[in-house]
Amino acid sequence: DARVTQTPRDKVTEMGQEVTMRCQPILGHNTVFWYRQTMMQGLELLAYFRNRAPLDDSGMPKDRFSAEMPDATLATLKIQPSEPRDSAVYFCASGLVVASGPTEAFFGQGTRLTVV
Amino acid sequence: KQEVTQIPAALSVPEGENLVLNCSFTDSAIYNLQWFRQDPGKGLTSLLLIQSSQREQTSGRLNASLDKSSGRSTLYIAASQPGDSATYLCAADTGRRALTFGSGTRLQVQP
Repeated sequence: DARVTQTPRDKVTEMGQEVTMRCQPILGHNTVFWYRQTMMQGLELLAYFRNRAPLDDSGMPKDRFSAEMPDATLATLKIQPSEPRDSAVYFCASGLVVASGPTEAFFGQGTRLTVV
Repeated sequence: KQEVTQIPAALSVPEGENLVLNCSFTDSAIYNLQWFRQDPGKGLTSLLLIQSSQREQTSGRLNASLDKSSGRSTLYIAASQPGDSATYLCAADTGRRALTFGSGTRLQVQP
């Protein structure tokens, strides 16, 4: 049963601490997305990668957020230092992008982050 | 910049009713449109994906249509059931392969 796996599922941290969220995309998918969901803003794209290379991270606050793909089976999203306004659910999604054809995005269960 | 709007924001219907959820987008040059379901505290489950060259897609009791010229998509749910209660999100891909989401329609089906 292929699925996107995110860890941790829940994270409570104090303001100023570093937070690392991890994502294992579906094997064979070449594109990984990070989204953030809040009540006020809904789902927003933070960054995405194609074949492990960052394509767009314009949705991320650059001073505190960073996203990487150390290898094809792991994507990470780090926040340092964390702030209360970062509290949200962070979703990872993956998809297979080919030159001709649509990309269906498959989402993980999300990491619920609470910064106090 | 693509903007996606969903109406209504919330909907409550009795079990068995057929219903339509609406999604509109501002940039008609979309590559595809995807409908998702989200249960409380859970991730997003892909329901249907419509390519720009298609007019509709069907899966079981669900039918999604796409009208690029008018910037609209609809999700039709036939014979609704309490298990259909969830938030339904539509999302448009304008070619860069990342999705722009609407704010969702929260559906409650009363038994």
